[in-house]
Amino acid sequence: GDSVTQMEGPVTLSEEAFLTINCTYTATGYPSLFWYVQYPGEGLQLLLKATKADDKGSNKGFEATYRKETTSFHLEKGSVQVSDSAVYFCALSEPNFGNEKLTFGTGTRLTIIP
Amino acid sequence: EPEVTQTPSHQVTQMGQEVILRCVPISNHLYFYWYRQILGQKVEFLVSFYNNEISEKSEIFDDQFSVERPDGSNFTLKIRSTKLEDSAMYFCASRAGGLVYEQFFGPGTRLTVL
Repeated sequence: GDSVTQMEGPVTLSEEAFLTINCTYTATGYPSLFWYVQYPGEGLQLLLKATKADDKGSNKGFEATYRKETTSFHLEKGSVQVSDSAVYFCALSEPNFGNEKLTFGTGTRLTIIP
Repeated sequence: EPEVTQTPSHQVTQMGQEVILRCVPISNHLYFYWYRQILGQKVEFLVSFYNNEISEKSEIFDDQFSVERPDGSNFTLKIRSTKLEDSAMYFCASRAGGLVYEQFFGPGTRLTVL
């Protein structure tokens, strides 16, 4: 079945550092890929997505590129801020006639220190 | 901005009791989902619901679980006889449909079974 493997956390970085959170996936078809973020006390929010190979999703300075050859969707940000502290989830969904469910990774807790 | 809401935020129950977790999806959305996250583990798909019936369910979603959309606005998850291992954070999500892939998540209900 489908699965998502995410970099283990927690990750602690200083403000303005470069961030990479690795994500690889296994899927039978052609999935869409997502990064969700969860701030303390809140639900999961979509951060960015990519729906086909070589697509780059971007939002709020975060980027991730859909790499089919390496089955990866690594999250990057050039200069992190304290407000980026949250849990980040990589996820995929396969086409299923509109009923696409999300398969998540384990989540990576990111803490940014000033 | 429209959002998914969930009540209660925290539910404590005794093993063997029935619980109902409530969700109000975004009003024009067509697809509805429940996920759960056991502490420290990944977010797992439970069930998807469309057109007043279950579209897909995971192996976790056994006969103890049921979902309902009783009045066109609420979307409920019932656990008939709770077990200790049902303790988790339960997330409701909804999606507009068509080519809009984003699922919008509620803040979750933390269920504690004693």
